[in-house]
Amino acid sequence: EDQVTQSPEALRLQEGESSSLNCSYTVSGLRGLFWYRQDPGKGPEFLFTLYSAGEEKEKERLKATLTKKESFLHITAPKPEDSATYLCAVQAVSGGYNKLIFGAGTRLAVHP
Amino acid sequence: GAGVSQSPSNKVTEKGKDVELRCDPISGHTALYWYRQSLGQGLEFLIYFQGNSAPDKSGLPSDRFSAERTGGSVSTLTIQRTQQEDSAVYLCASSRGWGTGANVLTFGAGSRLTVL
Repeated sequence: EDQVTQSPEALRLQEGESSSLNCSYTVSGLRGLFWYRQDPGKGPEFLFTLYSAGEEKEKERLKATLTKKESFLHITAPKPEDSATYLCAVQAVSGGYNKLIFGAGTRLAVHP
Repeated sequence: GAGVSQSPSNKVTEKGKDVELRCDPISGHTALYWYRQSLGQGLEFLIYFQGNSAPDKSGLPSDRFSAERTGGSVSTLTIQRTQQEDSAVYLCASSRGWGTGANVLTFGAGSRLTVL
C-alpha cells in the first residue's frame, strides 16, 4: 500500500536554529515528491517538486533533498515567519490514475 | 480566475441535512482534486477529475458523498445525510494536468464544515 510518513509530528526551534524534517515513503511507481507549506486557516502552498534520487531544490532558507526512500526538508537559520505546517506528498500511479498522497505533516514553530 | 475559489468558506449544518460545497478552479486547469482535512490531520484524498476522463472516486468514504464537474470547470461536492464525523475542512485543488508543472496543485482556502 502506498504510504507517506512524516516526522517529527511537531518541532519547536529557536530563531536561527537549523534543523531537518523527514518524509519517508513507500510507493509503487513514484512520479514525483512534493513539499507544501500550510498556514493556519489556509490551503497548502506549493514549495518544491523532486523527481529523482539525488535531486535537490532550494528556496530561501529551505532546501529539499530526495533519496530512494525518503526526502528531507532542511531549514537553515529559520525565522518566526517560517512557522507553519509542512506537508510532503508523493505522486503515484494507481489503477491508471495519478494520485497525490499526503503525509500528516510536521508542525513547525520558530520562536524569537 | 487568479486562484482557486471555494464557497462557502464556513458551513454549519444539522445532522441529517444535505450540503453542497463549490469549487471554481484556475481557468485552463484540466485537473481538479477534492481533499478532506480533519483537525490536526493530513489531507485525505476524496476524488480526482482529469479532463473528460472518468473521475477517480476511490477516496470517497461512503455513498453519501458525490461530486460532479460541469463543463470541465466548476465542481460541486455533495454530502447527503451529513453525520458528525463529516465535520472537517474540505479542500479543492486544481492543476494544469499537462506540460511543465502538470501536477503542481494550487489549493483553495477550503470550506469548513461543522455538523451539529
